[in-house]
Amino acid sequence: GIQVEQSPPDLILQEGANSTLRCNFSDSVNNLQWFHQNPWGQLINLFYIPSGTKQNGRLSATTVATERYSLLYISSSQTTDSGVYFCAVTSGSRLTFGEGTQLTVNP
Amino acid sequence: DAGVTQSPTHLIKTRGQQVTLRCSPKSGHDTVSWYQQALGQGPQFIFQYYEEEERQRGNFPDRFSGHQFPNYSSELNVNALLLGDSALYLCASSPGPGLTNEQFFGPGTRLTVL
Repeated sequence: GIQVEQSPPDLILQEGANSTLRCNFSDSVNNLQWFHQNPWGQLINLFYIPSGTKQNGRLSATTVATERYSLLYISSSQTTDSGVYFCAVTSGSRLTFGEGTQLTVNP
Repeated sequence: DAGVTQSPTHLIKTRGQQVTLRCSPKSGHDTVSWYQQALGQGPQFIFQYYEEEERQRGNFPDRFSGHQFPNYSSELNVNALLLGDSALYLCASSPGPGLTNEQFFGPGTRLTVL
């Protein structure tokens, strides 16, 4: 099946710093989603981005489907950005998740 | 607009018991998928229900079964519980089973098997 790799696995930032999270996938996909999992386990939809670039406030994402990667940018990070960020791709209607990036933003 | 809801929030069972988890999809959605998330890992696909039938299944044993009702809500049943079944169980809904449909997740049910 399709493989999804996320990097880095862990990231520690000071409040106000910028960061880039990467997601590589092993085959062509129909859909790609980025999620933020809060400490209570809720997966919050950030982006639905099978290709191209989208922005939502301090967050933006770019997917280059032909090169099989996606990037999530977080600017001016805040402590509330802490948590696990997952990339998930659709193959055969199911979402296949990466292992996530654990982000910690310190005040 | 109600999002995806799941019940119960937490559950504690002992080995060998059976458990039923419930999910109501987001308004306007007719497809429900279930995922298992072990501690420190990404969610793993269990199965998907559409039109009251199981459409796709991940690599999970037959102890895991499900059902979808005419109102699109769904249940996940796990029989003969093992310690390794302890996990966060997530339900996701989407507007149809299509390959490009965005999925939205509920808050999850945390199952502990003792």
